Amino acid sequence: DQQVKQNSPSLSVQEGRISILNCDYTNSMFDYFLWYKKYPAEGPTFLISISSIKDKNEDGRFTVFLNKSAKHLSLHIVPSQPGDSAVYFCAANPSGEYGNKLVFGAGTILRVKS
Amino acid sequence: NAGVTQTPKFQVLKTGQSMTLQCAQDMNHNSMYWYRQDPGMGLRLIYYSASEGTTDKGEVPNGYNVSRLNKREFSLRLESAAPSQTSVYFCASTRQEMNTEAFFGQGTRLTVV
Repeated sequence: DQQVKQNSPSLSVQEGRISILNCDYTNSMFDYFLWYKKYPAEGPTFLISISSIKDKNEDGRFTVFLNKSAKHLSLHIVPSQPGDSAVYFCAANPSGEYGNKLVFGAGTILRVKS
Repeated sequence: NAGVTQTPKFQVLKTGQSMTLQCAQDMNHNSMYWYRQDPGMGLRLIYYSASEGTTDKGEVPNGYNVSRLNKREFSLRLESAAPSQTSVYFCASTRQEMNTEAFFGQGTRLTVV
């Protein structure tokens, strides 16, 4: 039973357009959410995070939105660039957990076409 | 600045063989983790060490053991490898405080035949 779900295995977007990656979660104890980016043959790298006390966090071209009532978060990349092509993992941390006992989604492969 | 270093990068084992995956971090982090990544499953936590001298089971600990050798090093051991343990293994580390991002190593691709 996956507690963090990324229902789109892949997404293809034209360069310069917006990429929207979605993530749903089922555990109401999650209170911190992160997005990781992963290139082939490399480890995941942290991209952006959001605490449950916020509904939006922005960092350059990347914005994460959190809808707690719907248990849904999304990552927006604007404008998308070919270098953004990678696997994106959504992750959640249960409240009260020190460090990062993260629960990951299955990932979404993003392809940005030039 | 190496960050998190894992060895080896690739390994092929026969069923029943044993091996140890090594992980070291140079960021003075307190907490370390071992994850495995399988297609369609995301990353799943095998074991973690909240601080030097402590280890705890994660979501999928069966068939594995760990050792937190010191603050820098956290090893993962497969005593008797099984084909179901074919996966990509990632080590990660964090500061001990709540809600901080994890830094990952490059991964070890393990195949058990």
